[in-house]
Amino acid sequence: SQTIHQWPATLVQPVGSPLSLECTVEGTSNPNLYWYRQAAGRGLQLLFYSVGIGQISSEVPQNLSASRPQDRQFILSSKKLLLSDSGFYLCAWSRRYLPYEQYFGPGTRLTVT
Amino acid sequence: AQRVTQPEKLLSVFKGAPVELKCNYSYSGSPELFWYVQYSRQRLQLLLRHISRESIKGFTADLNKGETSFHLKKPFAQEEDSAMYYCALSEGGSNYKLTFGKGTLLTVNP
Repeated sequence: SQTIHQWPATLVQPVGSPLSLECTVEGTSNPNLYWYRQAAGRGLQLLFYSVGIGQISSEVPQNLSASRPQDRQFILSSKKLLLSDSGFYLCAWSRRYLPYEQYFGPGTRLTVT
Repeated sequence: AQRVTQPEKLLSVFKGAPVELKCNYSYSGSPELFWYVQYSRQRLQLLLRHISRESIKGFTADLNKGETSFHLKKPFAQEEDSAMYYCALSEGGSNYKLTFGKGTLLTVNP
């Protein structure tokens, strides 16, 4: 069966520090991968998605970037965190054929101080 | 652009009462629609997909293309149904993205 992992589960970082959140998927190959930010009352905001190694699509201009160095690894990064980057970050994967339902990781709670 | 609207941020019902969580969408094509649920301190998980025409945990959802709706229903709510519910839409084809509504927090009171 397929599983998706995210780490760390929680992170507290000072403003201006770098960020690296990691997501890995097991039990499937060639998945589509996604990064979301979840905010109370605002739903899920898609940040990035990837359909293959090195292929990243950005949905929202921001202080973040994403990379996919391996087929089942997806990384969310920032060179310098802002206070507004605080939030709950979710990684998800889907198959490459319909109906494209997505499966989510446990999330990372990021607090920028 | 496609849009998913969940008009109720909060919904409170009593145990045993019927519950309906509303979802409306705007999309000119034939969408794939889903309901996701997030229980307290658990990860977001798929509840059901319209294409499967399934009933999960007593919940059903019917796609009404005329009204562009995909409401989630359960005839008798249980306390363990208390959770955040999200409706999501996929355009299908070569577009892999899901568009989510802002969610409805369902509370089932004893």
